[in-house]
Amino acid sequence: SQTIHQWPATLVQPVGSPLSLECTVEGTSNPNLYWYRQAAGRGLQLLFYSVGIGQISSEVPQNLSASRPQDRQFILSSKKLLLSDSGFYLCAWSVTGSGEKLFFGSGTQLSVL
Amino acid sequence: SQQGEEDPQALSIQEGENATMNCSYKTSINNLQWYRQNSGRGLVHLILIRSNEREKHSGRLRVTLDTSKKSSSLLITASRAADTASYFCATDPPSTDKLIFGTGTRLQVFP
Repeated sequence: SQTIHQWPATLVQPVGSPLSLECTVEGTSNPNLYWYRQAAGRGLQLLFYSVGIGQISSEVPQNLSASRPQDRQFILSSKKLLLSDSGFYLCAWSVTGSGEKLFFGSGTQLSVL
Repeated sequence: SQQGEEDPQALSIQEGENATMNCSYKTSINNLQWYRQNSGRGLVHLILIRSNEREKHSGRLRVTLDTSKKSSSLLITASRAADTASYFCATDPPSTDKLIFGTGTRLQVFP
């Protein structure tokens, strides 16, 4: 069966520090991978998605970046965090194709202080 | 930008009552999905309805889709306290692999 791992669960970082959030998927090949961010009590904002290794589509211009070094690994990074980067970050995967259902990780609560 | 808008933003009901949430979207779609999120957790897929379908059932869930009005509704019948969560609709804009979520409805079911 397929599983998705996202870590860490919580993270407190000072402004200006770097960020690296990792997400891995097991039990499937060539998944679509997604990073979403959710502000407190709000909906999900799509940040990045990837349909293959090295293929990244960015939805929101900001100081975050994403990389997909391996088929089932998706990394969200920042060189210098801003206060506005605080939020709940969710990784998700789907089978290849448009409109497929997403399977979400458990999320990372990031607080930038 | 968000594709969908849920209505109402928040809903409080008693156990046993039905809960209805609505979703409106902007562009044409291939399908529409509903997800549930417990506080502080990831989202869980509930049901998918394709653009050529008008109604779909899954257990106590009933989803309708009106593509002419670009709207969908999620009905939870005989609600339980365990149904307390936020519910989101999600749509796939044409010719993309993206899934865009609405703003969500926070449902509170009191025992």
